[in-house]
Amino acid sequence: EPEVTQTPSHQVTQMGQEVILRCVPISNHLYFYWYRQILGQKVEFLVSFYNNEISEKSEIFDDQFSVERPDGSNFTLKIRSTKLEDSAMYFCASSVGSGSSYEQYFGPGTRLTVT
Amino acid sequence: AQKITQTQPGMFVQEKEAVTLDCTYDTSDPSYGLFWYKQPSSGEMIFLIYQGSYDQQNATEGRYSLNFQKARKSANLVISASQLGDSAMYFCAMRGSAGDNYGQNFVFGPGTRLSVLP
Repeated sequence: EPEVTQTPSHQVTQMGQEVILRCVPISNHLYFYWYRQILGQKVEFLVSFYNNEISEKSEIFDDQFSVERPDGSNFTLKIRSTKLEDSAMYFCASSVGSGSSYEQYFGPGTRLTVT
Repeated sequence: AQKITQTQPGMFVQEKEAVTLDCTYDTSDPSYGLFWYKQPSSGEMIFLIYQGSYDQQNATEGRYSLNFQKARKSANLVISASQLGDSAMYFCAMRGSAGDNYGQNFVFGPGTRLSVLP
């Protein structure tokens, strides 16, 4: 069964450094998402991406963040100048469509630890 | 704005018993989808079940069923015959119609931690 993959599974970085989290969505999916889950808290939406551009973003997704689909398979989240509060699990998800009935398939997540 | 409420931060259930996890939601979108995800301690998000706002029947998927009460705006997850492997965090999530007003993203509730006792 096709699945969303994410690398690395765990990333440790120093405050102020830039990190790139990578995702490979399911191949026939057209919509891509990033979510964040701070430890012990709920999952929060960051950004959705379709047709090579951001379709929606939350208040969390400020200028520190950017997303890119550099090739036909990868979908990346870049966090510039990381802060301690960026420590969280970051989930990538993808879906075939954008309507309310479409399930989003989540990747296993990347745990980001900022020290 | 869309909002999901899960009032039970933690639940215990005896193995082989049934358990209901509560979820209420708030939206002005006439068309929406409700989803339940399971998050075991390993951290991944596992899709369990989906209910559409226009579905006439409650969704079922194996041991999972959804008690959908549209007028009350509730979508409770029922797990029958609990197993030890069901111990996990459970999230209720909602997705509205795509479009300028409602977007495409999921809104998640705070989750309920279910512990199945042997």
